[in-house]
Amino acid sequence: DTAVSQTPKYLVTQMGNDKSIKCEQNLGHDTMYWYKQDSKKFLKIMFSYNNKELIINETVPNRFSPKSPDKAHLNLHINSLELGDSAVYFCASSPSFGGTDTQYFGPGTRLTVL
Amino acid sequence: GQQLNQSPQSMFIQEGEDVSMNCTSSSIFNTWLWYKQDPGEGPVLLIALYKAGELTSNGRLTAQFGITRKDSFLNISASIPSDVGIYFCAGLNFGNEKLTFGTGTRLTIIP
Repeated sequence: DTAVSQTPKYLVTQMGNDKSIKCEQNLGHDTMYWYKQDSKKFLKIMFSYNNKELIINETVPNRFSPKSPDKAHLNLHINSLELGDSAVYFCASSPSFGGTDTQYFGPGTRLTVL
Repeated sequence: GQQLNQSPQSMFIQEGEDVSMNCTSSSIFNTWLWYKQDPGEGPVLLIALYKAGELTSNGRLTAQFGITRKDSFLNISASIPSDVGIYFCAGLNFGNEKLTFGTGTRLTIIP
């Protein structure tokens, strides 16, 4: 009965490849997010979707393209991977957008670009 | 982008000790959140604060929303081994879902 799940847990790939990370939430939330945590553990928001619509795009390179096929899913596709993309990527969800609802995080996907 | 400053950056304590950490911001927030992250896991929400001056407890954890709305404090009483991890504060404003995280406080318990 995992609330926010991500796949894969680990992803190791070569520079220049394209890869995707998937996220699903079974909480019935309207809003989903992608965060990036760097090697110093700093967490920064990348994207936010509300009811399948992009709401926040934090000046992330356009090699990163989120897609939300439905409210319960938010996937992240990364083209032409670079060394600096190595990080842990967290998906999160919250009940709605526009209030101060708390956000619930998935277990993370550790991406290593060689 | 904006970053919240947490202190201390790391703490080494003995089991049973009390812990205090704080978080400061250059701008105000309407909501303050405290998360804990265990190794290999995502952040887990510990306490949410919604009003300036609010003091909220969750078991051995107590957090306060600073009266200026620019800071927050987290205290852990009688620490136990499972308290080990990284504690993050986060600020949120109404109408803006950008959760701004602090730099983290890494808690280690010395046997």
